[in-house]
Amino acid sequence: KNQVEQSPQSLIILEGKNCTLQCNYTVSPFSNLRWYKQDTGRGPVSLTIMTFSENTKSNGRYTATLDADTKQSSLHITASQLSDSASYICVVSSLPGGSYIPTFGRGTSLIVHP
Amino acid sequence: NAGVTQTPKFQVLKTGQSMTLQCAQDMNHEYMSWYRQDPGMGLRLIHYSVGAGITDQGEVPNGYNVSRSTTEDFPLRLLSAAPSQTSVYFCASSNRASVTGELFFGEGSRLTVL
Repeated sequence: KNQVEQSPQSLIILEGKNCTLQCNYTVSPFSNLRWYKQDTGRGPVSLTIMTFSENTKSNGRYTATLDADTKQSSLHITASQLSDSASYICVVSSLPGGSYIPTFGRGTSLIVHP
Repeated sequence: NAGVTQTPKFQVLKTGQSMTLQCAQDMNHEYMSWYRQDPGMGLRLIHYSVGAGITDQGEVPNGYNVSRSTTEDFPLRLLSAAPSQTSVYFCASSNRASVTGELFFGEGSRLTVL
């Protein structure tokens, strides 16, 4: 069964600090991995996508990495801001073009304190 | 460009009542889906559709019906509401022809069943 595990479940950091969120998956065959950001009371929004051939991709202060051999991804947030407080969801698709049934992680809840 | 629009945003029902959650998208996406999000459970797929006239069940379909008469609309019907259906519901759409499979989510509908 395809599974996506995220850690930690929750994280509290001070504004300006860096943090790293983890995603491990057992989805096969792998097509792509996305990180979504979900603000409280809003729908998830895509931050970045990683395909099999990509190791690192940045989107502003967000940097995602992918190790396809160990089936692990991480999302690194640099110089955190209060607006980074949100849930971060890892989603893995198993077919080219995105699986019609993507596999979702349960998310990491990040709280950034001033 | 409105994206994915869900109505209502909030709803309170009594056990046994029926209702329909509306979802509309203006991006001409073939793929549409409904998820429920419960604390600690992440997003779980209820039903999905790959085009007008085609629907299929997801992970948790019991108690819900869907139809897809047009490309734009994908309503979710609760036939006889139960307290276990108290949740936040998200509609999402995707461009089936896209190799990246990004899901575009609505803002969510919070349902409470008493």
